Amino acid sequence: KNEVEQSPQNLTAQEGEFITINCSYSVGISALHWLQQHPGGGIVSLFMLSSGKKKHGRLIATINIQEKHSSLHITASHPRDSAVYICAVRSAGGTSYGKLTFGQGTILTVHP
Amino acid sequence: DVKVTQSSRYLVKRTGEKVFLECVQDMDHENMFWYRQDPGLGLRLIYFSYDVKMKEKGDIPEGYSVSREKKERFSLILESASTNQTSMYLCASSLYGRGASYNEQFFGPGTRLTVL
Repeated sequence: KNEVEQSPQNLTAQEGEFITINCSYSVGISALHWLQQHPGGGIVSLFMLSSGKKKHGRLIATINIQEKHSSLHITASHPRDSAVYICAVRSAGGTSYGKLTFGQGTILTVHP
Repeated sequence: DVKVTQSSRYLVKRTGEKVFLECVQDMDHENMFWYRQDPGLGLRLIYFSYDVKMKEKGDIPEGYSVSREKKERFSLILESASTNQTSMYLCASSLYGRGASYNEQFFGPGTRLTVL
């Protein structure tokens, strides 16, 4: 079993729909990251969470430390949101090297 | 604006060739990482470095080596390329430290390597 599991692996939506991507992890963590990767592009950081909830524009990320679960929500989805969304965690009590463990990614396609 | 650059976006090599992938960051970060990304497997750590001339094996170091002669530059070397090393290779960097502000990794654009 992977330490970080994302669901779903593939997600197709119509423009305007509310989207949720889930991430579950099995280790104690000091931080959880949500990353975005557009086709052919590099990876950019969307959120870094250690507790609670963060919001940036139409994107909302939540984390429940007790349940070891995080969700990424996209409200009023748009075709430009089409990308791979990746969850990554930094284990608690680790070294100062900042190693991350990644989920397999969720491929999101939003149709007009 | 923070920046991580990689020497090539696309690379085609033949089996048995020695391949160098270069990564440069301009943020004075101590930590640098090399990942490969394959469909269904996500990002997997090959090697990382936390200081000049220091390196640590990641999860899949076999068939790879690295070099960090200068703080801003981290090179990935495929000593004898094989077809199963066809992949997307991503470099990243971050600050050294345990606090939340040290957690974020900044990624390069990636190099898509094809080994024929």
